Amino acid sequence: AQKVTQAQTEISVVEKEDVTLDCVYETRDTTYYLFWYKQPPSGELVFLIRRNSFDEQNEISGRYSWNFQKSTSSFNFTITASQVVDSAVYFCALSEDPRRDDKIIFGKGTRLHILP
Amino acid sequence: DAGVTQSPTHLIKTRGQQVTLRCSPKSGHDTVSWYQQALGQGPQFIFQYYEEEERQRGNFPDRFSGHQFPNYSSELNVNALLLGDSALYLCASSLVPGQETQYFGPGTRLLVL
Repeated sequence: AQKVTQAQTEISVVEKEDVTLDCVYETRDTTYYLFWYKQPPSGELVFLIRRNSFDEQNEISGRYSWNFQKSTSSFNFTITASQVVDSAVYFCALSEDPRRDDKIIFGKGTRLHILP
Repeated sequence: DAGVTQSPTHLIKTRGQQVTLRCSPKSGHDTVSWYQQALGQGPQFIFQYYEEEERQRGNFPDRFSGHQFPNYSSELNVNALLLGDSALYLCASSLVPGQETQYFGPGTRLLVL
């Protein structure tokens, strides 16, 4: 069965600190996609990254970086030098073999508070 | 480049009523998916429309139905509303089914009293 677990319900850090959001997934497929979305108070889900199961290279985009480890079924997200504008709910998500199943399965989210 | 738009932004209904939510996909996208997000939860997949047909469906009762128009816009209809249908309803669009990232709209907040 497919599942995404975000064990951290809520995290608070002081501005400029680094913070890592954890994500563990379960799937029987060998072809799948992993995502991170950001949901600010306005409610809109903002796409951050998509990673396919065959690409385990870590990715960095500005202050954001992602660590994908198939051996531990994890896809963690790190924000470096956090800013108040990073405060939001962050969702990790999984999409299985898109030829068969296009739905995105979301975790319950991690609410991130960046304190000034 | 217009993103995904949804209307209305907020809606209040009473139990037993019916509601229609609307979505216009991102320019150039022809696939629309609908998700329900209850308070404090992640979004849950309702269904996906492509070429004016329901391509895939999640675990939602038949009270939830949809439609896609020739211009790729879509409607979500919910009949016989229950209190538990109160949620944020998100629409997502993608270029083609299965191969592309889904981009989400701002959502419609539905409150059922």
